[in-house]
Amino acid sequence: GIQVEQSPPDLILQEGANSTLRCNFSDSVNNLQWFHQNPWGQLINLFYIPSGTKQNGRLSATTVATERYSLLYISSSQTTDSGVYFCGPWTGGSYIPTFGRGTSLIVHP
Amino acid sequence: DSGVTQTPKHLITATGQRVTLRCSPRSGDLSVYWYQQSLDQGLQFLIQYYNGEERAKGNILERFSAQQFPDLHSELNLSSLELGDSALYFCASSVVSGNNEQFFGPGTRLTVL
Repeated sequence: GIQVEQSPPDLILQEGANSTLRCNFSDSVNNLQWFHQNPWGQLINLFYIPSGTKQNGRLSATTVATERYSLLYISSSQTTDSGVYFCGPWTGGSYIPTFGRGTSLIVHP
Repeated sequence: DSGVTQTPKHLITATGQRVTLRCSPRSGDLSVYWYQQSLDQGLQFLIQYYNGEERAKGNILERFSAQQFPDLHSELNLSSLELGDSALYFCASSVVSGNNEQFFGPGTRLTVL
């Protein structure tokens, strides 16, 4: 099956800093989602982005399917951005995402 | 709030017992997915149902089973529980007709003592 690698595994930022999280995948994909798991464990949808670029407030994501990666940008980070960020691409006719191990983000005030 | 509900929020039980986790999908979603999140295995897909029928199977143990009812809610049954089954169990739903974006419920935290 598809292999998913997320980097960096851990990230510590000061409030106000910008960051880029990366998701590499081993196969061509039809779809990809980014999620934020907050410290209470809840998984929150960030982006549904099979290709191209999308923006939502301080967050944006870019997927380059032909080169098998996706990026999540967080600008002007806030303490509420802390948590784990997962990407979940899926391939072919499957509706099942394969999740990476995530990037754990801590934002200090 | 994703619109997906899961009950109970927390469950503590003993080894060898059986439990049932319940999930109600978002209004209009026909597909339900179950995932297990543990520290060592990460977030893993267990099983998918679409309009009452099993659609895909992942790393689901034989001791686990699921079903989706006519009103589209789903239940995940875990039996002969072991310590290693302690995890966060998520349900997600999607329309599954074009836009397959999945929306996750709040999860059920299962602790097996």
